[in-house]
Amino acid sequence: DVQLTQSPSSLIASVGDRVTITCRASQNIGIYLNWYQQNPGKAPKFVIYRASNLESGVPSRFSGSGSGTDFTLTISSLEPEDFGTYYCQQSYTTPTFGQGTRLEIK
Amino acid sequence: EVQLVESGGDLVQPGGSLRLACAASGFTFTNYGMSWVRQAPGSGLQFVAAIKGYVDRTEYAGSVQGRFTISRDKSKDTLYLQMNSLRAEDTAVYYCTKQMDDSTSTYDSWGQGTLVTVSS
Repeated sequence: DVQLTQSPSSLIASVGDRVTITCRASQNIGIYLNWYQQNPGKAPKFVIYRASNLESGVPSRFSGSGSGTDFTLTISSLEPEDFGTYYCQQSYTTPTFGQGTRLEIK
Repeated sequence: EVQLVESGGDLVQPGGSLRLACAASGFTFTNYGMSWVRQAPGSGLQFVAAIKGYVDRTEYAGSVQGRFTISRDKSKDTLYLQMNSLRAEDTAVYYCTKQMDDSTSTYDSWGQGTLVTVSS
């Protein structure tokens, strides 16, 4: 299985901050990397697909980049609704998820 | 609007069986792959099983292979997960997900989840 490691595991930031979350794959997965946001008690929400493509309706302050083994999710200016846990997921082979990055309000 | 509504979660004893269902609407069910993804309490997300749209090709996580069966009824737009020989470690919220297309495991829609608890 492809292992995905996210960093940091948790992050405290303020509204208006720029935030970057990293996801590293244990092998080359091309651009087959997706990102999801989950709020407590809710289902995950689809954010970015194939490393850098924004899902319809997702604000442009979200962006993704990377290929191969190293990927990033960036939020350019945090809004209150952006807090929660973010997961990366690879769709190159049998799907696996990162362990999550919890983004909390300062 | 895509809607996925799961049902069937319950408390079951170890070794028991359960069948989950997911009623889909708002899209052409036969055109998309569908998957089950689970989340144990306080933990992250884990792929469980997937089924293609056009052909009933399936894929399973190693931890459920041989115990769980994913299927779909195209006449009812419903996805199922038959779970046998349940273990304590299968305790989780099970999410029904729609894939972006029939070929890649990219989950663009999620149901609200149904809780399965395996305990004596």
